Amino acid sequence: TQLLEQSPQFLSIQEGENLTVYCNSSSVFSSLQWYRQEPGEGPVLLVTVVTGGEVKKLKRLTFQFGDARKDSSLHITAAQPGDTGLYLCAGGKGGSEKLVFGKGTKLTVNP
Amino acid sequence: DAGVTQSPTHLIKTRGQHVTLRCSPISGHKSVSWYQQVLGQGPQFIFQYYEKEERGRGNFPDRFSARQFPNYSSELNVNALLLGDSALYLCASSPRWGRQGYGYTFGSGTRLTVV
Repeated sequence: TQLLEQSPQFLSIQEGENLTVYCNSSSVFSSLQWYRQEPGEGPVLLVTVVTGGEVKKLKRLTFQFGDARKDSSLHITAAQPGDTGLYLCAGGKGGSEKLVFGKGTKLTVNP
Repeated sequence: DAGVTQSPTHLIKTRGQHVTLRCSPISGHKSVSWYQQVLGQGPQFIFQYYEKEERGRGNFPDRFSARQFPNYSSELNVNALLLGDSALYLCASSPRWGRQGYGYTFGSGTRLTVV
């Protein structure tokens, strides 16, 4: 069974703080995707990383794929209330459309 | 351009009944996947269809079935509903099969409640 463990499960911070969310597995993935989901909505793709060691930046968000392609992290700088949501990581393997999702990190940024 | 559209948005069914959920992918997308998201969990893969053929199936019982039509829209059918089938059912589309680097576009989902 391919499992993706996300930590922390819940995170409540003040506006302006920095935070890091982790996504770990014992399996190797060919790609790792990060999504953000708001209540009552479907997940929205933030980024896809496919190369071990890859780092991608999206404004205040920095995504990293581990060298062994088993783990990933999402770092948010100077968090804003608009960053509030459920952050999901999802791993994929070549030749399959199946994505394996973690349980998510529920982030609350207080003004 | 319209995104992934799902219908209905909400549905309440009784145990033992049957339900059909519908999904229209983004125009030009030929791949449709279905996921089940139980409250407090991440989405779990149910089916994937590409060019009207089943290309993947998750660990779900035979009560779950799906199909894709010539216009690439899709239906998810669930028979003999159980209370545990209550969940948000998500449809995701992508341009091609086997190209996970594109990522997926999800619809807003159908909230199914079984009572």
